[in-house]
Amino acid sequence: SQQGEEDPQALSIQEGENATMNCSYKTSINNLQWYRQNSGRGLVHLILIRSNEREKHSGRLRVTLDTSKKSSSLLITASRAADTASYFCATGSGGSNYKLTFGKGTLLTVNP
Amino acid sequence: EAGVAQSPRYKIIEKRQSVAFWCNPISGHATLYWYQQILGQGPKLLIQFQNNGVVDDSQLPKDRFSAERLKGVDSTLKIQPAKLEDSAVYLCASNQRSGSGADTQYFGPGTRLTVL
Repeated sequence: SQQGEEDPQALSIQEGENATMNCSYKTSINNLQWYRQNSGRGLVHLILIRSNEREKHSGRLRVTLDTSKKSSSLLITASRAADTASYFCATGSGGSNYKLTFGKGTLLTVNP
Repeated sequence: EAGVAQSPRYKIIEKRQSVAFWCNPISGHATLYWYQQILGQGPKLLIQFQNNGVVDDSQLPKDRFSAERLKGVDSTLKIQPAKLEDSAVYLCASNQRSGSGADTQYFGPGTRLTVL
């Protein structure tokens, strides 16, 4: 079953604009991760935020986490055509049986 | 550092045939995962190995899917017999985990399976 649900399903913007993607989940988590997938390729890890953190930055990426609302957002600033990809949130939960559960993803298209 | 290797990259088979996928994780990574990603969806975990032992195979359709990691390094995933609904990308991932906590998973390029 899918834990995270991304919103929107698809997003189209112009180069230089900011892109915001949201993720909601249902159960308690250890952490939440965002991955990027270019067409026909494997997933690449972008950023991880732990359940006791509220915000994290990495280059042009900013992730927030609100555990009370069970939601997260990924902001990509000053987008580039190369950012065109599918973005997935994945919730990490469990102890010794830790595993990731992925959402359906947001397809981001950045037009040059 | 070499990434996660998978082969083949593409496979087309008829329904009821058998198919096998191979994965070689990043050197030293104890944990290996197989995911199924159907078009338009996120990856779904099929099976997780810690060294050569199975940690979680709750979502593996065991009547037709099998996986092994005999020496705790590379792994094979087999489907026998294949059904139309098995058409998907099969992703292998690995990470270095020691006890509890979260580590990044590193993904291979995947094998795209088409069942006709």
